[in-house]
Amino acid sequence: GQQVMQIPQYQHVQEGEDFTTYCNSSTTLSNIQWYKQRPGGHPVFLIQLVKSGEVKKQKRLTFQFGEAKKNSSLHITATQTTDVGTYFCAGRRGGADGLTFGKGTHLIIQP
Amino acid sequence: DAGVIQSPRHEVTEMGQEVTLRCKPISGHDYLFWYRQTMMRGLELLIYFNNNVPIDDSGMPEDRFSAKMPNASFSTLKIQPSEPRDSAVYFCASSPGGGSNQPQHFGDGTRLSIL
Repeated sequence: GQQVMQIPQYQHVQEGEDFTTYCNSSTTLSNIQWYKQRPGGHPVFLIQLVKSGEVKKQKRLTFQFGEAKKNSSLHITATQTTDVGTYFCAGRRGGADGLTFGKGTHLIIQP
Repeated sequence: DAGVIQSPRHEVTEMGQEVTLRCKPISGHDYLFWYRQTMMRGLELLIYFNNNVPIDDSGMPEDRFSAKMPNASFSTLKIQPSEPRDSAVYFCASSPGGGSNQPQHFGDGTRLSIL
């Protein structure tokens, strides 16, 4: 079945440093979604990428979808303490509507 | 607007007992998803419904797990009998028509502990 791998599993950064998480799929994706989960909270939708090579920005967050639609990345510029949490990518599973989530990258920020 | 509502928020019970988790999706959403989250396995899709019909239950771990959606505003996930390895956070999510092309809206989850 489809697998979505995410690295790194954990990332410690100093406040103000940049952060990047990478997502790789074993199969071509029709779209990819990114979610953020605060500690003790639930996943919250951030963005969806659909087109090959697509790049989208939300303030300090930049999302990219690979040309082959098998990988994606999320980059945060100048992290802030409010960025703490786990970032998940999720790709459409085969021809069905269910999403396959990566295991997430836990972002820990040291003030 | 009310989001996805799950109950209970926390459940602690002894192994062998029946556990029922409940979910009310966002009104008007056609899709409902049940997920299980653990440190070891991450966020796993268990089953999802489209217009109250189960579409894919391949993620349901075994026959001890069952899910129903009797109407558009209510779904249950039942574990019988429960085992300690079922301890996890169970999330319900809903999305509008369009399935995986739409954002999923998650409830606050049920934190389940089986002793």
